[in-house]
Amino acid sequence: DAGVTQSPTHLIKTRGQQVTLRCSPKSGHDTVSWYQQALGQGPQFIFQYYEEEERQRGNFPDRFSGHQFPNYSSELNVNALLLGDSALYLCASSPGTGVSYGYTFGSGTRLTVV
Amino acid sequence: GENVEQHPSTLSVQEGDSAVIKCTYSDSASNYFPWYKQELGKRPQLIIDIRSNVGEKKDQRIAVTLNKTAKHFSLHITETQPEDSAVYFCAEGNFNKFYFGSGTKLNVKP
Repeated sequence: DAGVTQSPTHLIKTRGQQVTLRCSPKSGHDTVSWYQQALGQGPQFIFQYYEEEERQRGNFPDRFSGHQFPNYSSELNVNALLLGDSALYLCASSPGTGVSYGYTFGSGTRLTVV
Repeated sequence: GENVEQHPSTLSVQEGDSAVIKCTYSDSASNYFPWYKQELGKRPQLIIDIRSNVGEKKDQRIAVTLNKTAKHFSLHITETQPEDSAVYFCAEGNFNKFYFGSGTKLNVKP
């Protein structure tokens, strides 16, 4: 049983460019949450998708957007990249929207903006 | 809900000793408190969790305590082993999102 898979694993982009990160949830999970983890920091909540809609959003600008597909997979898009967007982006899936369902994290996408 | 303080930021112990990591939170509505272990370059992995209606939970060498009145919770690792070396994150769960602490780097010296 595959867990949460994310692609790509590493990515280098230039400031001002746009990037799309992808996530496939664990089998049986219908909810996907995205987190940004800067170096040496804890993950920070970006947003959560359920039933193809954004259900809740953290304190991130509109440059960060997402999508969830009918098969529950999800994309995170970041426009107009800034150097400060360099981080590990983690996708977490769960079998429901509530925190007590428990999250399974993917291995993340390491984004470097130069 | 966005203010989870975690201490210490680094912790070095001798193999076999105990390690304690503490977190405080501010939102009294939070009801779920997981702890994650993250090894270098790997995903965070859930090691233990506690819900707000429970004061203590133990799983072999790992235990978590929760004081809802004081809004703090702690991770206790006994008989530490070198493979316990990693970064540990506490988290406060509120409705459908987590707020994470800034992490504790635990180094267990053989």
